[in-house]
Amino acid sequence: GAGVSQSPSNKVTEKGKDVELRCDPISGHTALYWYRQSLGQGLEFLIYFQGNSAPDKSGLPSDRFSAERTGGSVSTLTIQRTQQEDSAVYLCASSLGADGSYNEQFFGPGTRLTVL
Amino acid sequence: DQQVKQNSPSLSVQEGRISILNCDYTNSMFDYFLWYKKYPAEGPTFLISISSIKDKNEDGRFTVFLNKSAKHLSLHIVPSQPGDSAVYFCAAKRSDSWGKLQFGAGTQVVVTP
Repeated sequence: GAGVSQSPSNKVTEKGKDVELRCDPISGHTALYWYRQSLGQGLEFLIYFQGNSAPDKSGLPSDRFSAERTGGSVSTLTIQRTQQEDSAVYLCASSLGADGSYNEQFFGPGTRLTVL
Repeated sequence: DQQVKQNSPSLSVQEGRISILNCDYTNSMFDYFLWYKKYPAEGPTFLISISSIKDKNEDGRFTVFLNKSAKHLSLHIVPSQPGDSAVYFCAAKRSDSWGKLQFGAGTQVVVTP
């Protein structure tokens, strides 16, 4: 069975450009999470999806960041007008649905974003 | 506001010895704690967890201890093996959260022969 996959694995972009990062969760997982890890830091929560809706967007750093999920499966994280401080590894995780108890989150390998 | 802290960025231990990783937290709303292990260029993988109603959970070579009064948890790996060389993250979940995790900065463990 396939795990969580993310694409691209690496992305180098120029300051001011828009980027899209993609996440394919484990089949059957209704919950999907985005985190990012900046250099020397722990993982920082960005947004959570249950199905196609996002009950918690509290971690998005600014309005340049947005995410969507379609068909209860693939999710795209979009960063507009990228800044150098956006450089980080962006990690996606999925789990069985949130039912009040904790369900293990399975992480993808991440997308390393470098903004020049 | 860093609510989960791992104050040791690195740890070196000899093969066969015990590795002890520490984690402190500040939020009393946390009710579930986890340890994740991460190899380079891979995503974190779940290692072991503990509910706030317990003070110890053991799984093979891995044991997690929770001291709620001190807001401290630790991960013991006995005996340490070369394959344990990785970054270990402590994470915590609030009681009013379904799955949002807050992570520490990680501890790089190196197991030497």
